[in-house]
Amino acid sequence: QQQVKQSPQSLIVQKGGISIINCAYENTAFDYFPWYQQFPGKGPALLIAIRPDVSEKKEGRFTISFNKSAKQFSLHIMDSQPGDSATYFCAARMNSGYSTLTFGKGTMLLVSP
Amino acid sequence: NAGVTQTPKFQVLKTGQSMTLQCAQDMNHNSMYWYRQDPGMGLRLIYYSASEGTTDKGEVPNGYNVSRLNKREFSLRLESAAPSQTSVYFCASSGAGVQNTEAFFGQGTRLTVV
Repeated sequence: QQQVKQSPQSLIVQKGGISIINCAYENTAFDYFPWYQQFPGKGPALLIAIRPDVSEKKEGRFTISFNKSAKQFSLHIMDSQPGDSATYFCAARMNSGYSTLTFGKGTMLLVSP
Repeated sequence: NAGVTQTPKFQVLKTGQSMTLQCAQDMNHNSMYWYRQDPGMGLRLIYYSASEGTTDKGEVPNGYNVSRLNKREFSLRLESAAPSQTSVYFCASSGAGVQNTEAFFGQGTRLTVV
């Protein structure tokens, strides 16, 4: 059973547009929700993360929106640039002692010039 | 800053051959992980080591073994490689405690089993 569902699988956005990637989770014990960015041939790297005590977190052009009641969170990339073209993964982790990250299946974003 | 270093970067194996993927981190992290990445499947956890001396199975452990050699090193072994193990393998590490949640990834090992 997939615990973190991510959509869309791929996304094409024009330069300057807004990219939106959505994730939904089942397990209410999750309490940490990061987004990772991966460029071709590289390992994933942390982009931005949120905990469920806030509904939004913004870092530069990247914003996470979090809806605890709906068990959904999303990544918004404002003023998307060709350099943002990458694969994005959402993830979740539980708060009990030690636990690992559960990843979504990823979204391949292409920002056209 | 080396971070997480994986070797080799590329490998081609014949079915039935064995090999060990090496991973080392220089961030003094307690926890280390092995993931595999397949198209459309995201990152799936194979094994992890919460701390030196402990290892646990993840989502897809069959066909793999691991060794936490010391705090820095965590290796992944394929005893008898199968074509289904063709994948990109990532090692990652993270610190201890609920505040140290960021996982740092290596550059990956692209493995092809023919």
